[in-house]
Amino acid sequence: AQSVAQPEDQVNVAEGNPLTVKCTYSVSGNPYLFWYVQYPNRGLQFLLKYITGDNLVKGSYGFEAEFNKSQTSFHLKKPSALVSDSALYFCAVRDGNQAGTALIFGKGTTLSVSS
Amino acid sequence: GAVVSQHPSRVICKSGTSVKIECRSLDFQATTMFWYRQFPKKSLMLMATSNEGSKATYEQGVEKDKFLINHASLTLSTLTVTSAHPEDSSFYICSATPGRVSNQPQHFGDGTRLSIL
Repeated sequence: AQSVAQPEDQVNVAEGNPLTVKCTYSVSGNPYLFWYVQYPNRGLQFLLKYITGDNLVKGSYGFEAEFNKSQTSFHLKKPSALVSDSALYFCAVRDGNQAGTALIFGKGTTLSVSS
Repeated sequence: GAVVSQHPSRVICKSGTSVKIECRSLDFQATTMFWYRQFPKKSLMLMATSNEGSKATYEQGVEKDKFLINHASLTLSTLTVTSAHPEDSSFYICSATPGRVSNQPQHFGDGTRLSIL
């Protein structure tokens, strides 16, 4: 079975400071990992994904994430946070050996960036 | 980029009413679409996987007679909440992936806020 853990319900950072949103995963096959962002009353927007290759992946809006196989983690990072980054962030995983299956999501982390 | 359109965005109706929600992939064909339910400040709960031309696969605990799913074409899936009651009030989100390639992200509609009075 696949699962995703986002240990923090909320992350608070000051504008201009670096931010990290944590994610760990469990999957029996190849982990395909994704980050999404959700603004109030909206669907989810895709930020970035890790499938294979370089462990550091870069995505939209200056976000990046680092895949760590030994720690089964895929933390989302940004060097300098913006107030507009405040939103709900979801980490998701899919077993790469199972095509056509749905992503499994973590419970989400609310990011609050203060000015 | 891939776009998924979901309608309506908001529905308010009386208890006992049936409500249909549409999910369309606008610029790609989606063999498979997914329906999620999201409670306030909570994660997305997968309700069912909708397969074009065949019956949907429901997750454990989801009533298939309550939440009817039809995927009649490669670009349209519908979710009908039958005889809705206040406990069905929620945010429903659909998503789709181009083809059946597992390394592609799912693209999401903007969701439907369902409020049953």
